[in-house]
Amino acid sequence: GIQVEQSPPDLILQEGANSTLRCNFSDSVNNLQWFHQNPWGQLINLFYIPSGTKQNGRLSATTVATERYSLLYISSSQTTDSGVYFCAVAAWDSNYQLIWGAGTKLIIKP
Amino acid sequence: DGGITQSPKYLFRKEGQNVTLSCEQNLNHDAMYWYRQDPGQGLRLIYYSQIVNDFQKGDIAEGYSVSREKKESFPLTVTSAQKNPTAFYLCASSTGLAGVFQETQYFGPGTRLLVL
Repeated sequence: GIQVEQSPPDLILQEGANSTLRCNFSDSVNNLQWFHQNPWGQLINLFYIPSGTKQNGRLSATTVATERYSLLYISSSQTTDSGVYFCAVAAWDSNYQLIWGAGTKLIIKP
Repeated sequence: DGGITQSPKYLFRKEGQNVTLSCEQNLNHDAMYWYRQDPGQGLRLIYYSQIVNDFQKGDIAEGYSVSREKKESFPLTVTSAQKNPTAFYLCASSTGLAGVFQETQYFGPGTRLLVL
């Protein structure tokens, strides 16, 4: 089935730093979403981005579907950015569904 | 405020017991989903529903059951057949206008299930 790999698995930064998170996928996908899960478990959708680039405040994302990767950029990190960032792709596996990566755990130190 | 609520926040199950996790949404969404999350991993799909009185199995449906009698409610029952139920369970919904998995999903706060 399709593989979704995220890197790095863990990232520790000082407040104010910039970061780039990567999501690679092994086959064609219909769409890609980025999510943030806070330390209490709440998942929030950040971007629905099957292709191209989108920006929302300090966050932006780029998906290059033809090369099977997506990047999430976080600028001027704040402690509230801490948590786990997931990418999920919609594709056929055993059935049509969202297939999730294992996440990048981000810790922002004050 | 519109949103998704899940209850309880924590749930303890004894061996051989069935337990039901509640998921309610007031977003007027047609599609609803249940996911399981194990520590350090991404989400895995248990069941989803595109419309009232209809639902489909995901990859890990064995040992779980659902119902969709009302648009706003999608309860998940963890049966005694699920041998390793300890996990974090997340419910989500989406409008359903673009098709399931083709649109933004909105998540509830989750239920942590522990086996005694």
